[in-house]
Amino acid sequence: AQSVTQPDIHITVSEGASLELRCNYSYGATPYLFWYVQSPGQGLQLLLKYFSGDTLVQGIKGFEAEFKRSQSSFNLRKPSVHWSDAAEYFCAVLYSGGGADGLTFGKGTHLIIQP
Amino acid sequence: ETGVTQSPTHLIKTRGQQVTLRCSSQSGHNTVSWYQQALGQGPQFIFQYYREEENGRGNFPPRFSGLQFPNYSSELNVNALELDDSALYLCASSPSGFKETQYFGPGTRLLVL
Repeated sequence: AQSVTQPDIHITVSEGASLELRCNYSYGATPYLFWYVQSPGQGLQLLLKYFSGDTLVQGIKGFEAEFKRSQSSFNLRKPSVHWSDAAEYFCAVLYSGGGADGLTFGKGTHLIIQP
Repeated sequence: ETGVTQSPTHLIKTRGQQVTLRCSSQSGHNTVSWYQQALGQGPQFIFQYYREEENGRGNFPPRFSGLQFPNYSSELNVNALELDDSALYLCASSPSGFKETQYFGPGTRLLVL
């Protein structure tokens, strides 16, 4: 069964510092990969997605992610975080052609920004 | 452009009751998916509707059912509520021809007592 692992439950970063959130997915053909952000009590906002092509994808709010097939990883990065980036971040995977296109999510990483 | 909207925002029910949650998809979107997010967890896929037909289902029992209407809005119905059904229920819609990309609404928080 497909699965997504986000190894870090919590991450604390100082404002202005760089950020990397890790995501690993179980092997599957043609994975579609996503990062979503969720502010407290809110729905999910799509940050970026990878379907094919260039393995480095740019998203909104200055985020980027790199797909590494050999490591089954899709890590999210930001060069300089802002206090407004504090939120819950979810990595998700979807395998096309397997029926319903339901996303499989990781358990999330809670990002705390220190002043 | 209006995004995905859900109603109600909050709901309290008692065990054994039935509940209906509603979702209006984004303009131009013909696919709707529903997810359950328990506290401290990632969302879990319940089912997906495409052109008024159930397109697939996650690991949820039959007491979770749904509908999609000709205007592509959708309902999630849950019968015989259990305490573990307490969660945030999220609806997501996808553009025609791009059902892989899902845009989420703000969710309905359901509390079962």
